[in-house]
Amino acid sequence: AQSVTQLDSQVPVFEEAPVELRCNYSSSVSVYLFWYVQYPNQGLQLLLKYLSGSTLVESINGFEAEFNKSQTSFHLRKPSVHISDTAEYFCAVNTNTGNQFYFGTGTSLTVIP
Amino acid sequence: DTGVSQDPRHKITKRGQNVTFRCDPISEHNRLYWYRQTLGQGPEFLTYFQNEAQLEKSRLLSDRFSAERPKGSFSTLEIQRTEQGDSAMYLCASSHGQNSPLHFGNGTRLTVT
Repeated sequence: AQSVTQLDSQVPVFEEAPVELRCNYSSSVSVYLFWYVQYPNQGLQLLLKYLSGSTLVESINGFEAEFNKSQTSFHLRKPSVHISDTAEYFCAVNTNTGNQFYFGTGTSLTVIP
Repeated sequence: DTGVSQDPRHKITKRGQNVTFRCDPISEHNRLYWYRQTLGQGPEFLTYFQNEAQLEKSRLLSDRFSAERPKGSFSTLEIQRTEQGDSAMYLCASSHGQNSPLHFGNGTRLTVT
């Protein structure tokens, strides 16, 4: 079975500072990895995905994540955060043998002015 | 692409009553998922349809829960004899193929009093 661990439940960071949200997964087969963002009272929105190819993937709003197979990680980073980045972030994993997406418990990012 | 829509946005019901939620996926998506999300947790998989066939159900889905997707388009999730533990956000998502990212609706928040 697959699982996802997000060790940091809450991450406060000052505006314009860098941030890293950690995600580790466990799986015995090849994985596909995703980061979703959830704003209050809204559904989840896809932020970025890793399916194959380059291990470094980027989103349109400055986030990036790197797939590290040896460390089974897919950490999310942004060099300079904005107030508008305040939200809940979820890491998710899927495999080529299953239909389910497994989600972590989420990291609440709070950007402090 | 009008997105995934869910109805209603909020539902308050008394314990023991039956409730039904509706999900309209993105029109060209053949896969439809139901997830449940409680406070401080990531989405938990409930069930999955490919076209009109329900291919997978979570053990979380007790006998009081039933989902349908009669014509391979919209889906309904019914909870019979609701219990306070059923209070949660119920999320619907759709995708157009295996490992394709999930597109989520804004969810239906259920409160059982």
